[in-house]
Amino acid sequence: DIQMTQSPSSVSASVGDTVTITCRASQDIRNWLVWYQQKPGKAPKLLIYAASNLQSGVPSRFSGSGSGTDFTLTIDSVQPEDIATYFCQQASTFPYTFGQGTKLQIK
Amino acid sequence: QLQLQQSGPGLVKPSETLSLTCTVSGGSITGSYWTWMRQFSGKGLEWIGYIYHSGSTTYNPSLGSRVTLSIDLSKSQFSLKLRSVTAADTAVYYCVRHRGDSRFDLWGQGTLVTVSS
Repeated sequence: DIQMTQSPSSVSASVGDTVTITCRASQDIRNWLVWYQQKPGKAPKLLIYAASNLQSGVPSRFSGSGSGTDFTLTIDSVQPEDIATYFCQQASTFPYTFGQGTKLQIK
Repeated sequence: QLQLQQSGPGLVKPSETLSLTCTVSGGSITGSYWTWMRQFSGKGLEWIGYIYHSGSTTYNPSLGSRVTLSIDLSKSQFSLKLRSVTAADTAVYYCVRHRGDSRFDLWGQGTLVTVSS
């Protein structure tokens, strides 16, 4: 199985900061990388698909980049409502696998 | 607007079969890969498998032969059966629409399934 490694496991930021979360795949997944946001008690919400495509309705402060094995989720000007856990997932090779998550907290 | 509504028991005894159903409303059940995922209490996520409207399936090998997905086009429903469950299968189970381009864009509300006697 493809291993997905996210870092950091947690991050604390002030409102207005830029936050970067990285996800590394154990092998080439081309651009088949997904980013989710999950708030407590809720299902994950799709933010970015195919590495860099913003899902409809997601604020433009969220962006994704990368290809191959290294990917990044960037949140420009973090807002209080962005408090959540963020997961990456590879959708290149079965079985699809997930990163362990990054918890975003606001200072 | 398309919605996914999950149904099924939240408590299953060890060695028995976990059965969940997801009803698709407000849109078509054709043309997407209907997926099941689960999330453990430690927050780790696992992809269980998918079924296409044609009935073709792909499963996570980690579940071996315990898992079966099925689809009922007439009822706009797809279902998960996981046999011989143990406490390790305790998780929140989600049904998800995958549009085939890594766009897992619609999730059910989630069902906490606890395996316990």
